[in-house]
Amino acid sequence: AQTVTQSQPEMSVQEAETVTLSCTYDTSESDYYLFWYKQPPSRQMILVIRQEAYKQQNATENRFSVNFQKAAKSFSLKISDSQLGDAAMYFCAYRRNRDDKIIFGKGTRLHILP
Amino acid sequence: DTGVSQNPRHKITKRGQNVTFRCDPISEHNRLYWYRQTLGQGPEFLTYFQNEAQLEKSRLLSDRFSAERPKGSFSTLEIQRTEQGDSAMYLCASSTTGPNQPQHFGDGTRLSIL
Repeated sequence: AQTVTQSQPEMSVQEAETVTLSCTYDTSESDYYLFWYKQPPSRQMILVIRQEAYKQQNATENRFSVNFQKAAKSFSLKISDSQLGDAAMYFCAYRRNRDDKIIFGKGTRLHILP
Repeated sequence: DTGVSQNPRHKITKRGQNVTFRCDPISEHNRLYWYRQTLGQGPEFLTYFQNEAQLEKSRLLSDRFSAERPKGSFSTLEIQRTEQGDSAMYLCASSTTGPNQPQHFGDGTRLSIL
């Protein structure tokens, strides 16, 4: 069975600094997708960034980038120039190519210190 | 694009009562998903529809749970004879068909069982 593990329940970072959130996953599939979702307090879940497993190049979306290490089954999220609005729960997630359901990790709560 | 809409936002009920939640997906999205999120956990997949057909159900979806999408538009999730363990946030998401189409989430319905 596929699993997603986020080993950091909480993290804090100073505003304008860089922070990296860790994620590892377990799968026997070769074709899949990985995601980072953001869930602000009492607000809806939004997609931050996604990575196709067949692509070697790491995905980037503005201040957000990933470090995808397929052999190590690692998928970390780097947030550069952290802003107060980045404070949220961040969920790492996995989807097998031929499935539609997403498997989420337990999340990392990110605090931004002014 | 008005986003995924879920009603009600909050539901408080006594143990043993039946409850029904509604989800209105983004209008052109033919896929609709239900997830459950308990405190301190990531969302867990419950079921999903393509148009009106329910294509997959999780083992988490006990006999007390039923989901419908009669006309391929909005969906309802009913829980019969609610139990304390049903207390959670119930999230709905929708997407279009196609490889790696992102799922767009609603704000969720928070269920509290007294």
